[in-house]
Amino acid sequence: AQRVTQPEKLLSVFKGAPVELKCNYSYSGSPELFWYVQYSRQRLQLLLRHISRESIKGFTADLNKGETSFHLKKPFAQEEDSAMYYCALKKGGSEKLVFGKGMKLTVNP
Amino acid sequence: NAGVTQTPKFQVLKTGQSMTLQCAQDMNHEYMSWYRQDPGMGLRLIHYSVGAGITDQGEVPNGYNVSRSTTEDFPLRLLSAAPSQTSVYFCASSYSVLAWGKNEQFFGPGTRLTVL
Repeated sequence: AQRVTQPEKLLSVFKGAPVELKCNYSYSGSPELFWYVQYSRQRLQLLLRHISRESIKGFTADLNKGETSFHLKKPFAQEEDSAMYYCALKKGGSEKLVFGKGMKLTVNP
Repeated sequence: NAGVTQTPKFQVLKTGQSMTLQCAQDMNHEYMSWYRQDPGMGLRLIHYSVGAGITDQGEVPNGYNVSRSTTEDFPLRLLSAAPSQTSVYFCASSYSVLAWGKNEQFFGPGTRLTVL
């Protein structure tokens, strides 16, 4: 069965510091990986997906199949990045998403 | 487009009461799903539907029923509410897996449910 692990629940950094939110997955096939973000009192929204290989709000994430990881990175964190971040996996041929337990990022001024 | 809408935003129930959480989308999405969000547990899939008339169980279906009579609506029914069902419930929708590159899931604003 597929599983998504976000090993850290909380991360607190100062503005301008680099951040890395870790995500590891277990799935034997070819997964699609996503990062969703939930800002305070807002709904979940897609941040980025691995197939797009794009940078959104300065965040990037690279799928490493060898290490089964999809870590989210940003070189210089901003206060507005403070939010809950969820890594999610979708197995091929399915619409169902499997979420990690989430990680709360706090960026201090 | 209104996107994904959910009602009510807040609800307090007594143990044993029943209620229906409403979810609607106006994007003509085939796939709809319900999640519950609990602290330290992330989002867990309750039920999902790949189209009108088709539903299936997710990870935590016990105590919940769903139906999908139209493409737009996907209500979630609590049959006999229990304190363990206190949670935030999110509805989400997306195009089917066949719509390659369009499978982003869109989420509703959530319903915060408290069962006393």
